Amino acid sequence: SQQGEEDPQALSIQEGENATMNCSYKTSINNLQWYRQNSGRGLVHLILIRSNEREKHSGRLRVTLDTSKKSSSLLITASRAADTASYFCAPYSGGGADGLTFGKGTHLIIQP
Amino acid sequence: DVKVTQSSRYLVKRTGEKVFLECVQDMDHENMFWYRQDPGLGLRLIYFSYDVKMKEKGDIPEGYSVSREKKERFSLILESASTNQTSMYLCASSLPGGTGNTIYFGEGSWLTVV
Repeated sequence: SQQGEEDPQALSIQEGENATMNCSYKTSINNLQWYRQNSGRGLVHLILIRSNEREKHSGRLRVTLDTSKKSSSLLITASRAADTASYFCAPYSGGGADGLTFGKGTHLIIQP
Repeated sequence: DVKVTQSSRYLVKRTGEKVFLECVQDMDHENMFWYRQDPGLGLRLIYFSYDVKMKEKGDIPEGYSVSREKKERFSLILESASTNQTSMYLCASSLPGGTGNTIYFGEGSWLTVV
């Protein structure tokens, strides 16, 4: 399994603004997932994008994938205080139940 | 909804104690995982299991063992707890076919070893 690297490590924006965070990875993937973790809680799956997809939407979330650059981005539009959390990407390259590998995440703070 | 339940949310144990962290999932998932999460280090995989009685080491198995006697239950065992095992432990499960599937996490168990 490979680990994604999220950037920036921390991001602070005003409520209502859009938040963009990025993920880079090293080798080709089957899919890439994004997860959210509220403080002190478990991770929650947000969205999965397959290697043959370029963009995917879910509510206020928009994920893009550029396999040529080995990168993905997560955009949260019209941010809310409840979006304050850490966000993790998890690239999956296939090869069995070896567990997704998570990086250090992007810590997003939405200022009221 | 998938539910992954970790039996203890907060534990305080003494150095040298044997510690059991229990995890149960209710969606008949074949795969189950144990991660630990530490500030600045992200999540690290300790062990995973893809079937009953099957287990595979993750990235940091030293000092830990696991047990999976039933499909729905995956236990993490600290044979002799040490202070450097103070951490948040996360259990997770997923369908088979590798981890191209969504992983469902429990709420976490905060372990303090004194």
